[in-house]
Amino acid sequence: QVQLVESGGGVVQPGGSLRLSCAASGFTFNTFVLHWVRQAPGKGLEWVAYIKSDGSGAFYTDSVKGRFTISRDNSRNTLYLQMNSLRAEDTALYYCAKVVFQWQDGAFDIWGQGTMVTVSS
Amino acid sequence: EVILTQSPATLSLSPGERATLSCRASQTVVSYLAWYQQKPGQAPRLLIYDASNRATGIPARFSGSGSGTDFTLTISSLEPEDFAVYYCQQRYNWPPITFGQGTRLEIK
Repeated sequence: QVQLVESGGGVVQPGGSLRLSCAASGFTFNTFVLHWVRQAPGKGLEWVAYIKSDGSGAFYTDSVKGRFTISRDNSRNTLYLQMNSLRAEDTALYYCAKVVFQWQDGAFDIWGQGTMVTVSS
Repeated sequence: EVILTQSPATLSLSPGERATLSCRASQTVVSYLAWYQQKPGQAPRLLIYDASNRATGIPARFSGSGSGTDFTLTISSLEPEDFAVYYCQQRYNWPPITFGQGTRLEIK
């Protein structure tokens, strides 16, 4: 079945780095755009980043621009989020998400279970 | 940035009743609006995309309507498993993709 499984979260000090991974299965990975969405504890959903199906383009929310980098390895069916210069306000559960159709950019029909990132000294 | 405002913040209803949730956009999003359900400890679940299209496997009691700036999610007859938080999300004018702040549907 279609599945996304995130990993790589953890506790990191302010200013530190983490790389999140999202392993995909059950669909033609290289034909879908993908996104990262986060949710701070007890809060709502916040879109973080997007990457085109071939990895040739990406967008970010303003608060992570210049600090986070989204990438993908279509040969490994894996999505990544490199997070540098982490701040306390980046503390959240990070989800990867797949869009409904190959020609569509942003309604998310499949979500992973999330990986928790905690930024604290 | 498109601001999505959901109302009410909390809705208290009983099983069997009809639920009407609202999402208002600060500018037109045409029909590029989705609705999600989230239960505690779970990832969001897509209910409706492009304002009125039910996602795969979503029961017919869930329906979406609206266009432009005003949208509604209707649950025709509440089941016990429908009590959750609901979010709207737009994908018309982005980046950024934006979500509403959520409506909590609780058992009365």
